[in-house]
Amino acid sequence: AQSVTQPDIHITVSEGASLELRCNYSYGATPYLFWYVQSPGQGLQLLLKYFSGDTLVQGIKGFEAEFKRSQSSFNLRKPSVHWSDAAEYFCAVGPEGTYKYIFGTGTRLKVLA
Amino acid sequence: EAGVAQSPRYKIIEKRQSVAFWCNPISGHATLYWYQQILGQGPKLLIQFQNNGVVDDSQLPKDRFSAERLKGVDSTLKIQPAKLEDSAVYLCASSLEGMVETQYFGPGTRLLVL
Repeated sequence: AQSVTQPDIHITVSEGASLELRCNYSYGATPYLFWYVQSPGQGLQLLLKYFSGDTLVQGIKGFEAEFKRSQSSFNLRKPSVHWSDAAEYFCAVGPEGTYKYIFGTGTRLKVLA
Repeated sequence: EAGVAQSPRYKIIEKRQSVAFWCNPISGHATLYWYQQILGQGPKLLIQFQNNGVVDDSQLPKDRFSAERLKGVDSTLKIQPAKLEDSAVYLCASSLEGMVETQYFGPGTRLLVL
């Protein structure tokens, strides 16, 4: 069965520090992979997506993610975190070309000034 | 470009009451989705519309939940009667026809059932 695991429920980093949010998935074929961000009171905003090709994907707001098939991972990274990055981050996986996403349980990011 | 609009933003009701949520997708987006996001969990798809037809409602609790998109534009999601476990954020999303992998989400309606 398909599943998405985000092992870290909460992460706290200092402003200017680097960030890595983990995402592991279980899926039989090459899935579509996504990272979304949800700020308080807001809907989900797509940060980046991976369908195929280059395994290092660049997204908005300075985020990137790397698809590692051997590790079934799609970790999100940012070299220098800003206070405005404080939010909840969701990893999602879905079959190619469909809408049937499975979302992880999210990682809440806190940024210290 | 205006985003996905939802109303109300917050709703508090007592169990066994009914409630309705409204969604207006991005102009030109033929596909519309309703998700339920329970606290501490990721969103779960309830129903997908393509224009005014239902594509997938396999995870919609049909004994109490209903949804419609009569003119292929805006949509309503109704719960009748509500249960305590329906407390959640209800998210609406839309996408262009043929690009269902790229969905745009509204701000959500936060429902509290007492």
